[in-house]
Amino acid sequence: EVQLVQSGTEVKKPGESLRISCKGSGYSSTNYWITWVRQMPGKGLEWMGRIDPSDSYTNYSPSFQGHVTMSHDRSISTAYLQWSSLKASDTAMYYCARETDNSDELDIWGQGTMVTVSS
Amino acid sequence: QSVLTQPPSVSGTPGQRVTLSCSGSSSNIGINGVSWYQQLPGTAPKLLVYINNKRPSGVPDRFSGSESGTSASLAISGLQSEDEANYYCAAWDDTLDGWLFGGGTKLTVL
Repeated sequence: EVQLVQSGTEVKKPGESLRISCKGSGYSSTNYWITWVRQMPGKGLEWMGRIDPSDSYTNYSPSFQGHVTMSHDRSISTAYLQWSSLKASDTAMYYCARETDNSDELDIWGQGTMVTVSS
Repeated sequence: QSVLTQPPSVSGTPGQRVTLSCSGSSSNIGINGVSWYQQLPGTAPKLLVYINNKRPSGVPDRFSGSESGTSASLAISGLQSEDEANYYCAAWDDTLDGWLFGGGTKLTVL
């Protein structure tokens, strides 16, 4: 079964760092880009950026550039999204999704990781 | 603010056919395919319909997509109570060099 499994719920304080993960299985991870999507409480979906697992090339949405870092470990088919200094406004659900060829659709989604940032 | 525009809400009664709209521009829907995602309460989004009205395995043919110029539509026929969810359109944007999502439409089954 093709799936993306994300790491669990996180509760952090402002200024702390964090890395969440997204592990792919059931397919060759280097053949598909991974996209990250933010969903703030009660709001819609926002594209954050994407990473090519074959060479770790990334491109970020201007809205998130400089605030998050995406990476990938080919040896364990796992993508990461990290923050060096969290803000309260980072409180949200974060999803990873697999991007098909030609960026036509996001066909497989992780279950989401809830991140709460509060003092 | 989303660049793909969707109505915030739509409602229908069981058995009815409803249509959800998604409006974009020449840098996204006008040149790239549109995909639709269903998000049931408390769950992750799920791919529902994608380019050329294709559906992943398991998605009933009650769901169908269409495009015209810089707009797209998702039609749901034979509306069922379990269709109550948020629906998002998405398309690759050549100017952004990334994905754009619509703001989402909340479908209520009365």
